[in-house]
Amino acid sequence: DVKVTQSSRYLVKRTGEKVFLECVQDMDHENMFWYRQDPGLGLRLIYFSYDVKMKEKGDIPEGYSVSREKKERFSLILESASTNQTSMYLCASSLWARGQRDSGANVLTFGAGSRLTVL
Amino acid sequence: SQQGEEDPQALSIQEGENATMNCSYKTSINNLQWYRQNSGRGLVHLILIRSNEREKHSGRLRVTLDTSKKSSSLLITASRAADTASYFCAMVNTGGFKTIFGAGTRLFVKA
Repeated sequence: DVKVTQSSRYLVKRTGEKVFLECVQDMDHENMFWYRQDPGLGLRLIYFSYDVKMKEKGDIPEGYSVSREKKERFSLILESASTNQTSMYLCASSLWARGQRDSGANVLTFGAGSRLTVL
Repeated sequence: SQQGEEDPQALSIQEGENATMNCSYKTSINNLQWYRQNSGRGLVHLILIRSNEREKHSGRLRVTLDTSKKSSSLLITASRAADTASYFCAMVNTGGFKTIFGAGTRLFVKA
């Protein structure tokens, strides 16, 4: 079974702190994603990466950055946390390689989530 | 921007009844998927339907896709209390692998 592991289930940080959310997958997936989930809004895509050192902005990248130095690890960084970044953060990975036409491969495997509270 | 909308937002049924959830989207898609989320956990993939397919089955799940109306539905037959969860549709854009989710339907199945 593919496993996606998020380093922290619960975090409490103060406004202005730098926050790192780590995500590791163990099945050699090319693609990794960060979403945030808020009540009534569903999941919104923050950033995704289709290869090492590659990243693309999702729908709500403001206030966030990402790092993918190794294929298995995708980090989400909040440079200066704010209260409106209090949310559930979900990491996911998938197999679909860029340019691959077989859409059947693009199934996301999610981690358990990291609930961040910014005070 | 959210590309998917789901209705109803919440659904409460008795065990044994069928549950139907609907999803509408705005742009062209490569495929559409449905995921399930138990409270406070990550999402789990249920089923994928490609843009050239109209219907797909998996166990008690039946998914339909109408690309002309840009809509999909998920039917869970003979529901069980263990089906209580949130269900999300997810659209994969044509020409890419960006996956966008709807806001979800919360299903509560009473024993």
